[in-house]
Amino acid sequence: DAKTTQPPSMDCAEGRAANLPCNHSTISGNEYVYWYRQIHSQGPQYIIHGLKNNETNEMASLIITEDRKSSTLILPHATLRDTAVYYCIVRPARGGGADGLTFGKGTHLIIQP
Amino acid sequence: DGGITQSPKYLFRKEGQNVTLSCEQNLNHDAMYWYRQDPGQGLRLIYYSQIVNDFQKGDIAEGYSVSREKKESFPLTVTSAQKNPTAFYLCASSMLAGAYNEQFFGPGTRLTVL
Repeated sequence: DAKTTQPPSMDCAEGRAANLPCNHSTISGNEYVYWYRQIHSQGPQYIIHGLKNNETNEMASLIITEDRKSSTLILPHATLRDTAVYYCIVRPARGGGADGLTFGKGTHLIIQP
Repeated sequence: DGGITQSPKYLFRKEGQNVTLSCEQNLNHDAMYWYRQDPGQGLRLIYYSQIVNDFQKGDIAEGYSVSREKKESFPLTVTSAQKNPTAFYLCASSMLAGAYNEQFFGPGTRLTVL
């Protein structure tokens, strides 16, 4: 799986958009970008994934650059409950989940009141 | 409610004892996984199973064993051979069919070996 690089921590004011970057310069053509988050002492939670087009769901938006070497997860109106560690993961989609996910250290996002 | 349950939430054992962590899912998922997390670190894959009666080693399988006798259950045994067993253990499951294989995680079991 391609490696990812994320900043170790970020702060964001409550109500503002939180933009979390991820670099994945060695991504292959068949690899998707996945985002999960982990609230303290809980299991990770799936947020969103994408291949090359921008994606949006009820939780977040995912912006992938045209060369696919980096992406940004956007939480449009951050709340205190969004404080968590956010993991960017790159791997093939079809059949790729069968052998587990590779989690780095992620970005610790702290939402400030 | 559909989901993944892990029990117990906290577990204490003496050094040298084997201990089994429970993981049950009622999502009708084919694949199940065990991960370990140490403080300040990401998750690392211990074992995974794609089908009943079959399982594969992950990145850190030494000192652990699993079984998959039923589709909904995937217990993990931490044996006395595991040198540093104190950690947060997470179970997950996913569908194999389909393109996305999103993994759903349980709440975790925090194991402390004294």
